[in-house]
Amino acid sequence: DAGVIQSPRHEVTEMGQEVTLRCKPISGHDYLFWYRQTMMRGLELLIYFNNNVPIDDSGMPEDRFSAKMPNASFSTLKIQPSEPRDSAVYFCATSGGPDTADEQFFGPGTRLTVL
Amino acid sequence: QKEVEQDPGPLSVPEGAIVSLNCTYSNSAFQYFMWYRQYSRKGPELLMYTYSSGNKEDGRFTAQVDKSSKYISLFIRDSQPSDSATYLCAMIWSNTGKLIFGQGTTLQVKP
Repeated sequence: DAGVIQSPRHEVTEMGQEVTLRCKPISGHDYLFWYRQTMMRGLELLIYFNNNVPIDDSGMPEDRFSAKMPNASFSTLKIQPSEPRDSAVYFCATSGGPDTADEQFFGPGTRLTVL
Repeated sequence: QKEVEQDPGPLSVPEGAIVSLNCTYSNSAFQYFMWYRQYSRKGPELLMYTYSSGNKEDGRFTAQVDKSSKYISLFIRDSQPSDSATYLCAMIWSNTGKLIFGQGTTLQVKP
């Protein structure tokens, strides 16, 4: 298996633009997590899905952020409109379950810079 | 107060040294304790996983959990330059799905 795949690896955009980050989970993994990592705040959970259903989105910072998982093979995290403070590395991670405490496998991350 | 506290370092040691990395936490409901290793510009990867208080050993790595003190440690014996990375403690309580990470400690092992 190729592991968790994220695209793009790097994204530079201007304030106000829409940004879409993509994640392809490991086949058969039922849990998908979106994290954000910054120097100031460390690694923070934004939202997670179980069997394509959003379970907890309490970490999503504000309404500008939205996430979807239309099928078991694909998830997106969208920021609209983007702001400079959204600059961070965004990670997607997946887990095979059945327990939420099972190991999470992280993708390589998307480094987002908002100018 | 953050739920999980971890000194960000950086920590610099000579090759062969014993390294001690630590985290404290405030929520007694945490049941699972993990250490992730993150190389520069990579995603974190699971290094050690413990459930209960006590020690768990895996090669040169030992994870220690003291639930009474809400304190966890990771020891690295005979440290190698390839151990240079950021080490993140993480913890979770069952059925929430939320992995709470420490800030991460950056370790450099000098040859």
